[in-house]
Amino acid sequence: DAGVIQSPRHEVTEMGQEVTLRCKPISGHDYLFWYRQTMMRGLELLIYFNNNVPIDDSGMPEDRFSAKMPNASFSTLKIQPSEPRDSAVYFCASSPGPPAPQYFGAGTRLSVL
Amino acid sequence: SQQGEEDPQALSIQEGENATMNCSYKTSINNLQWYRQNSGRGLVHLILIRSNEREKHSGRLRVTLDTSKKSSSLLITASRAADTASYFCATDEGGSYIPTFGRGTSLIVHP
Repeated sequence: DAGVIQSPRHEVTEMGQEVTLRCKPISGHDYLFWYRQTMMRGLELLIYFNNNVPIDDSGMPEDRFSAKMPNASFSTLKIQPSEPRDSAVYFCASSPGPPAPQYFGAGTRLSVL
Repeated sequence: SQQGEEDPQALSIQEGENATMNCSYKTSINNLQWYRQNSGRGLVHLILIRSNEREKHSGRLRVTLDTSKKSSSLLITASRAADTASYFCATDEGGSYIPTFGRGTSLIVHP
């Protein structure tokens, strides 16, 4: 398996634009996690899915953030409209289920100007 | 949400020396995990230790868990420049079975 695949690797956009981050989890993993990492706040769990169903989105900072998982092999994290304070590295991770390890993608570095 | 806290925040050592990082948590846990993150990369799982275990080894890594002190330590023996990375502990404390990550320890190993 190629591991967790995220795209794009880098995204530079202007404030107010819509941003869509994409993730392909490892086949057979039932859990999918979206994280945001910044120097100030560390690694924050935004939302996680189990069998394509959102279980806990309490980490989503605002209504501007939304996440979907239309099928077992694809998930998106959307920010609309984007703001400079959304600049961060966003990670997707998948797992067979706790306490099994999470497998992280390489991340998307988002810069909102 | 509750999370483990790593200590120290940063550690700088010479190649060949041992590196020890600590993780403390506040309530009870079922499992504690350690991850490594190289610069510009995602986190990579290193080792999982269950609450009924006291010590686990994996290659040059040794993890201990002291539930009475609510703490864990990660020891990297005979460090190499390639061990330069940030190390995170993740705990499932507070009754949640989803682990929460700490802020990490930044390790620099000088060749």
